[in-house]
Amino acid sequence: DAKTTQPTSMDCAEGRAANLPCNHSTISGNEYVYWYRQIHSQGPQYIIHGLKNNETNEMASLIITEDRKSSTLILPHATLRDTAVYYCIVRLRIQGAQKLVFGQGTRLTINP
Amino acid sequence: DGGITQSPKYLFRKEGQNVTLSCEQNLNHDAMYWYRQDPGQGLRLIYYSQIVNDFQKGDIAEGYSVSREKKESFPLTVTSAQKNPTAFYLCASSIGGGRYNEQFFGPGTRLTVL
Repeated sequence: DAKTTQPTSMDCAEGRAANLPCNHSTISGNEYVYWYRQIHSQGPQYIIHGLKNNETNEMASLIITEDRKSSTLILPHATLRDTAVYYCIVRLRIQGAQKLVFGQGTRLTINP
Repeated sequence: DGGITQSPKYLFRKEGQNVTLSCEQNLNHDAMYWYRQDPGQGLRLIYYSQIVNDFQKGDIAEGYSVSREKKESFPLTVTSAQKNPTAFYLCASSIGGGRYNEQFFGPGTRLTVL
């Protein structure tokens, strides 16, 4: 799996958009970008994933650069409950069981 | 509600005792996983199972054992052979069975060995 680089921590004001960057310069053509988040003392929560097109769901948007070497997760209107550690993971999307490799992620703090 | 349950949320044991952590899912998922998380660190895979009566070691299986007798259940036993058992343990499941595999996690069990 390709290695990812994320900032250690970020702050964002409540109600503003939170933009979380992720670098994955060694990503291969068939690897997907996944985002999970983990609120303190809870299990990780799946947010979104994408291959090369931008994706949006009810939780967030994922913007992937044209060269696929970086991406940004956007929480459009951050709330205090979005305070969590956000993990960017790059991996093949295969059938069957597969482990997830979580790095240290970005600790996002939403301030009132 | 469909989901993954882990019990208990907090567990305390004396050193040298084996302890079994429960994981149950009613999502009809074929694949199940156990991860360990240490403070400030990411997750590391202990064991996973793609189907009933089958399981494989992950990256840090030493000192742990699992069973998969039912599709819904994947208990993890932390044995006395595990040198540093105090950690946050997370169970996950995914559809598996030849389909794509987004993983969904339980709430975790925090094990403290005294």
